[in-house]
Amino acid sequence: DIQMTQSPSSLSASVGDRVTISCQASQDITNYLNWYQQKPGKAPKLLISDASNLETGVPSRFSGTGSGTHFSFTISSLQPEDIATYYCQQYDRLPLTFGGGTKVQIK
Amino acid sequence: QVQLVESGGGLVKPGGSLRLSCAASGFNFSDYYMSWIRQAPGKGLEWVSYISGAGDYSKYADSVQGRAVISRDNAKRSLYLQVYSVSPEDTAVYYCVRGNGGVYWGQGALVTVSS
Repeated sequence: DIQMTQSPSSLSASVGDRVTISCQASQDITNYLNWYQQKPGKAPKLLISDASNLETGVPSRFSGTGSGTHFSFTISSLQPEDIATYYCQQYDRLPLTFGGGTKVQIK
Repeated sequence: QVQLVESGGGLVKPGGSLRLSCAASGFNFSDYYMSWIRQAPGKGLEWVSYISGAGDYSKYADSVQGRAVISRDNAKRSLYLQVYSVSPEDTAVYYCVRGNGGVYWGQGALVTVSS
C-alpha cells in the first residue's frame, strides 16, 4: 500500500499569511494526487486534482505543486473561511490512501 | 447535476451487519467506478471498497476484507455496501463517491456500532 505522510498535522496562522502543507508518498505516484478541504459535518471538497489542477470555482489563492513522491499545497493568503482540515489523497493505485490531515486554524 | 444520496445508516449492534445504499443521479451511472470511503468520528478518511461500472471487479480495504460486499444495480442507479460482523471500529460516516475520489461525494451516512 502507498503511505501518504502529511505535515504538519495542525497549524495556526494569521489572516493574510501564506500557509503550506506537505504530503509525501511512500512510492512514486506521478501526479495522481488530490487535495481536499473538509469543514465539520461536511463531505470533503475537492480543491486540486492531478497535483496542481485547480478545480473550477476554487479561489486562486489555493495551489498545489509536486510530482513523484513530494507534493505541497499552499494557501497564498489565509482567509477566515479557510478554517478547515485539508487532506491529500493518492489515486495512482488501489487501495486509495489519504494523508492524515492538516487542521488549519486562525491565530 | 450529479447527486449521490446515501441511506441506511443508524445504530448496529456489535456482531451484526450494516447495509448502506447510495442513489445516484445526474450522470450515466454504469459508466463509472464507484467507491465507499469512511471517516471515523474525529479521524481521517479511509477508503473501504471500489466497484467497476459493470460490477464485475471489486476490491476491499484490508480492514473489511472478507466481511464486506460491495454491489451495484445499474438499472436502479444504486450502489450498496454490506459489512458483516461489525465492531465499534466500523463506527464512521460512510461516503458514497464517484470514481476513485474527486469531485462527487454524497453527504454521508453515519453508522454507529454499539450495544
